[in-house]
Amino acid sequence: EAQVTQNPRYLITVTGKKLTVTCSQNMNHEYMSWYRQDPGLGLRQIYYSMNVEVTDKGDVPEGYKVSRKEKRNFPLILESPSPNQTSLYFCASSLQGVTDTQYFGPGTRLTVL
Amino acid sequence: GQQVMQIPQYQHVQEGEDFTTYCNSSTTLSNIQWYKQRPGGHPVFLIQLVKSGEVKKQKRLTFQFGEAKKNSSLHITATQTTDVGTYFCAGHSGNEKLTFGTGTRLTIIP
Repeated sequence: EAQVTQNPRYLITVTGKKLTVTCSQNMNHEYMSWYRQDPGLGLRQIYYSMNVEVTDKGDVPEGYKVSRKEKRNFPLILESPSPNQTSLYFCASSLQGVTDTQYFGPGTRLTVL
Repeated sequence: GQQVMQIPQYQHVQEGEDFTTYCNSSTTLSNIQWYKQRPGGHPVFLIQLVKSGEVKKQKRLTFQFGEAKKNSSLHITATQTTDVGTYFCAGHSGNEKLTFGTGTRLTIIP
């Protein structure tokens, strides 16, 4: 089944404790991206990647890192999480870019205490 | 940077009534996409509009792209309980960053 998977689905952590949210897609998509969703603000793009080893900042990249060592995986790294990073995070992928259908993962609800 | 606003933020309608959400961009868009997110779910692609003034229909849903390619609308005729969710527009202005609107949450009163 074609899908985007994220892990973990739920995470409660404390300020400053490094964490990684994994994202994987099995559709051989080139474009992958991360979003955070907050009430009243919609979905805001954090980082995106056009292909392996090619990443770029979205609209809200501060406090986040990403890597794209393999085509299928696009992990989101929070080196020192803070409470303002408490949010619902979505990974998405598409065939080649923003003009293609974006397929979203199920989401990761992160709480930083 | 590019901003995409949607109005209204919330809409409560009686089942059977029509619903419209409007999307306005601060910049001219190359294309616009619409997504639906059911409560507790993830956004799911509905449609993409590319041409100025384009109108597309999917059963009870009608999508329009403005002549200036800076605004768009989604209209649902005779809403049903299955239409509940948050509707997002998303667009880009020639780069590879996708900007989503703030979303309109639709609730249906049976």
